[in-house]
Amino acid sequence: DTGVSQDPRHKITKRGQNVTFRCDPISEHNRLYWYRQTLGQGPEFLTYFQNEAQLEKSRLLSDRFSAERPKGSFSTLEIQRTEQGDSAMYLCASTLGAPKDEQFFGPGTRLTVL
Amino acid sequence: LAKTTQPISMDSYEGQEVNITCSHNNIATNDYITWYQQFPSQGPRFIIQGYKTKVTNEVASLFIPADRKSSTLSLPRVSLSDTAVYYCLVGDINQGGKLIFGQGTELSVKP
Repeated sequence: DTGVSQDPRHKITKRGQNVTFRCDPISEHNRLYWYRQTLGQGPEFLTYFQNEAQLEKSRLLSDRFSAERPKGSFSTLEIQRTEQGDSAMYLCASTLGAPKDEQFFGPGTRLTVL
Repeated sequence: LAKTTQPISMDSYEGQEVNITCSHNNIATNDYITWYQQFPSQGPRFIIQGYKTKVTNEVASLFIPADRKSSTLSLPRVSLSDTAVYYCLVGDINQGGKLIFGQGTELSVKP
């Protein structure tokens, strides 16, 4: 257990539905990251926050993806109008930042779109 | 961000030392080298980070030559539980810190 939690751990949904995932980082960590991982591939960076500010979202896969971190604590990742290609593991990580910048990853949310 | 190249897979036996080499020819001056380990159905876990020469912690060593164009993760006396995917990442930890993962090296440790 790294101290980063994600909810739910598994989500099965039908194509076209909206889904929302939650990430609770380690409390003193000000940076929070979202990644997506498909089978056999390394995690793919999506977006990150410094406190409540979303500093990079250019890697979000489409405008169906959005993320928030309203109070600089937990974060949510929403996927609207899900497609079968969205099926993947969604990982959240948090860090204090430099100098070491070790990222602590949560267990992930496994999304299956039918 | 510098691209990294690692072997896709490696096999080893319990008790052996395993060395996984990563190539990063385009590493920038401010880039650090970081290794993560990932077990199936879990998030990656930080192993070690370095800038130059040698870094050692309780689980691994990281060797970085003077030109920094490659690095080697050394795992002493591996056990079955070290079977995992190992990722080498290169980046400036002061520039957002986002991690760009490659395909990683799948290490299989046999009894």
